[in-house]
Amino acid sequence: DQQVKQNSPSLSVQEGRISILNCDYTNSMFDYFLWYKKYPAEGPTFLISISSIKDKNEDGRFTVFLNKSAKHLSLHIVPSQPGDSAVYFCAAGPSGTYKYIFGTGTRLKVLA
Amino acid sequence: GAGVSQSPSNKVTEKGKDVELRCDPISGHTALYWYRQSLGQGLEFLIYFQGNSAPDKSGLPSDRFSAERTGGSVSTLTIQRTQQEDSAVYLCASSRSQGGYEQYFGPGTRLTVT
Repeated sequence: DQQVKQNSPSLSVQEGRISILNCDYTNSMFDYFLWYKKYPAEGPTFLISISSIKDKNEDGRFTVFLNKSAKHLSLHIVPSQPGDSAVYFCAAGPSGTYKYIFGTGTRLKVLA
Repeated sequence: GAGVSQSPSNKVTEKGKDVELRCDPISGHTALYWYRQSLGQGLEFLIYFQGNSAPDKSGLPSDRFSAERTGGSVSTLTIQRTQQEDSAVYLCASSRSQGGYEQYFGPGTRLTVT
């Protein structure tokens, strides 16, 4: 039973356009959400997070949106750059947990 | 500064053999995690160490898996009598404190059981 789902295994976007990566969760106890980026042969690196008390968090080109009623979050990258090509994982859990549940990842390819 | 390091980066072993995977966390990080990523799957939590507290082993898939953390620093994940389904990338992460939101991951060990 996957509590965190990333239904798109891959996504291709032209350089300069917006990339939108989606994530759905099922557990209503989850109130903290994170996005990680992973390059080949490297470990995931933390990108951005959001608490359920907010519906948006922005950091430079990266913005995460949270829709609690739909149990859905999305990561927007604007403008997309070739260096953004990586696998993106979302993770979710209750605040203060150490056991975040990770999605299966979405492979983003930004075309030059 | 040095990040999380893991060794070996790749390990090929025969079914039935034991393997040891090593993780060196970031100095000063009290929390250490092990995850497994099988092909096409998300990161699966295995075990969590926090300071001198008893580890949370709830994610270990069977009693063939064990882990220890010596001196609150280096950790070793041991898999006994490896099976083909153990083939995966094993990732270690550390964070500054319990429930640390930002976990710093190592590059992983790719284990292949033949």
